Amino acid sequence: DQQVKQNSPSLSVQEGRISILNCDYTNSMFDYFLWYKKYPAEGPTFLISISSIKDKNEDGRFTVFLNKSAKHLSLHIVPSQPGDSAVYFCAASFRFGNEKLTFGTGTRLTIIP
Amino acid sequence: NAGVTQTPKFQVLKTGQSMTLQCAQDMNHEYMSWYRQDPGMGLRLIHYSVGAGITDQGEVPNGYNVSRSTTEDFPLRLLSAAPSQTSVYFCASSYITGDRQFFGPGTRLTVL
Repeated sequence: DQQVKQNSPSLSVQEGRISILNCDYTNSMFDYFLWYKKYPAEGPTFLISISSIKDKNEDGRFTVFLNKSAKHLSLHIVPSQPGDSAVYFCAASFRFGNEKLTFGTGTRLTIIP
Repeated sequence: NAGVTQTPKFQVLKTGQSMTLQCAQDMNHEYMSWYRQDPGMGLRLIHYSVGAGITDQGEVPNGYNVSRSTTEDFPLRLLSAAPSQTSVYFCASSYITGDRQFFGPGTRLTVL
């Protein structure tokens, strides 16, 4: 029973274009959503988060969109840069209920110069 | 402020051997957890702790033991290593359960 799903294992995008990574969830109790970025041989690092009371959160080139009715979130990276090549994990939790984070299986993003 | 540290970085074991993966954090976080990462499987939770003296099982706990005697340390013990435990192991911590987690650099374990 996978509550957080990333259906695209990989994505290739031209440098300078927009990268869109998608994530779907099934648990309607989730109230907090995060994206992590992972380079090879390193631990995941936090990228951006969004609370369920919002539908958009921006941080520089990164924007996360949340569609609660569709149980869907997406990460937009504009413009994409070679250093963005990494594996991206989405995660969700019912933070108000003190529940653990649940992670998706990850999407490998490759930026083509 | 070192964040989350893990030792060793690499380890090779023979089937049946035991070992302890070390994890420490200096952020005074209450919540600590262990994950394993395997190709195509994402990050799977092994064990977690919501504070000193309190531990619980995650999604894939079999073959692993944990203890939490201090806020800072959360070691993971492999009791009798099996090839199926070949993986990359990450320790993580957060201020509270369900909050943004900080990850260590990982331990790459190979069991022959």
